[in-house]
Amino acid sequence: GENVEQHPSTLSVQEGDSAVIKCTYSDSASNYFPWYKQELGKRPQLIIDIRSNVGEKKDQRIAVTLNKTAKHFSLHITETQPEDSAVYFCAASFSGGYNKLIFGAGTRLAVHP
Amino acid sequence: EAQVTQNPRYLITVTGKKLTVTCSQNMNHEYMSWYRQDPGLGLRQIYYSMNVEVTDKGDVPEGYKVSRKEKRNFPLILESPSPNQTSLYFCASTPVASTYNEQFFGPGTRLTVL
Repeated sequence: GENVEQHPSTLSVQEGDSAVIKCTYSDSASNYFPWYKQELGKRPQLIIDIRSNVGEKKDQRIAVTLNKTAKHFSLHITETQPEDSAVYFCAASFSGGYNKLIFGAGTRLAVHP
Repeated sequence: EAQVTQNPRYLITVTGKKLTVTCSQNMNHEYMSWYRQDPGLGLRQIYYSMNVEVTDKGDVPEGYKVSRKEKRNFPLILESPSPNQTSLYFCASTPVASTYNEQFFGPGTRLTVL
């Protein structure tokens, strides 16, 4: 079946450093790629998304890049802060179902002061 | 306040005892779905509903049932829970059944089946 692979599973950085999380998807018809952030004990919340007709999107300290040819996309967080510590999930739309998203396994990011 | 609510938030039960987890949204969203979250597996869709009386299986539907009799409610039913259904469950909703819509998640229900 369709799947999304996410790496790394854990990531530890010092405050102020950059963090990069990478995802690879299998459905070549996927055209929407959101990223969700889940703080400890909380619900997942959308932080940024990108559509297939765009190669890069930025929102303050976070950016997402998409390479449709290679079928991978990445989340970049610059100038990390302790409040960025959370689990991040990437997802890709599944062409076989309305509003269907296939999620990656998640990356636990720890930002150390 | 626009939100998705779930009840209960925590539940410990025994194998075979039927249970229902409720989900309600006050945003008039058409599309609702249930996910389970397990370590190392991310969020996997159990069932979804595109509108009232329209439901369909997601990726891991075995052992679960749902219903959508009203637009705002989408309960998850476990007729005979088993230990492998111990998990963190999230309900989510979006305005319409369109790929590009943000999914609004409920607060989660942590279920333990002994």
